[in-house]
Amino acid sequence: SQTIHQWPATLVQPVGSPLSLECTVEGTSNPNLYWYRQAAGRGLQLLFYSVGIGQISSEVPQNLSASRPQDRQFILSSKKLLLSDSGFYLCAWSVLAGGRREQFFGPGTRLTVL
Amino acid sequence: ILNVEQSPQSLHVQEGDSTNFTCSFPSSNFYALHWYRWETAKSPEALFVMTLNGDEKKKGRISATLNTKEGYSYLYIKGSQPEDSATYLCACNRGGANNLFFGTGTRLTVIP
Repeated sequence: SQTIHQWPATLVQPVGSPLSLECTVEGTSNPNLYWYRQAAGRGLQLLFYSVGIGQISSEVPQNLSASRPQDRQFILSSKKLLLSDSGFYLCAWSVLAGGRREQFFGPGTRLTVL
Repeated sequence: ILNVEQSPQSLHVQEGDSTNFTCSFPSSNFYALHWYRWETAKSPEALFVMTLNGDEKKKGRISATLNTKEGYSYLYIKGSQPEDSATYLCACNRGGANNLFFGTGTRLTVIP
């Protein structure tokens, strides 16, 4: 069966510090991978998605970047965190099965920028 | 970007009551509608995926309907239980796109 891991679960970082959040998927090959963020009082917003190694699409301009160095690894980064980067970050994966693409989420990382 | 809206934003019901909430989305170039259940400190859990106008799906006491012509979906919970307390998210994507666009969710609290 497929599993998705995210770490760390919680993180408190000062403004201006760097960020690296990691997501790995097991039990599937060539998944689409996604990073979402939920800011306080707002819905889930898609930040990045990737259809393959080294292929990253960004949905919104921001202070963050993403990389996919391996098929089942997706990393979210920032060189200098802003207060507005605080939120709950979710990684997700999907594969096409029976003509449908359904997304499955990881446990999330709660980031607080002070 | 797809504008997906959910209402109400939050809802309190008594244990045993039935309830429902709404997801609305643009009907043009519609592909699929997804419902998720998101409990605090857990991952969103997929409930249903629906693609055809008139689709109805059911899982236990939870069911959903889809109207793609008018652009809405209803989620129903029959005989609410405290363990149904969660945020219910809907999301949709357009044909050919990988991305899901989420609503802000309906936060359900079932009072024992």
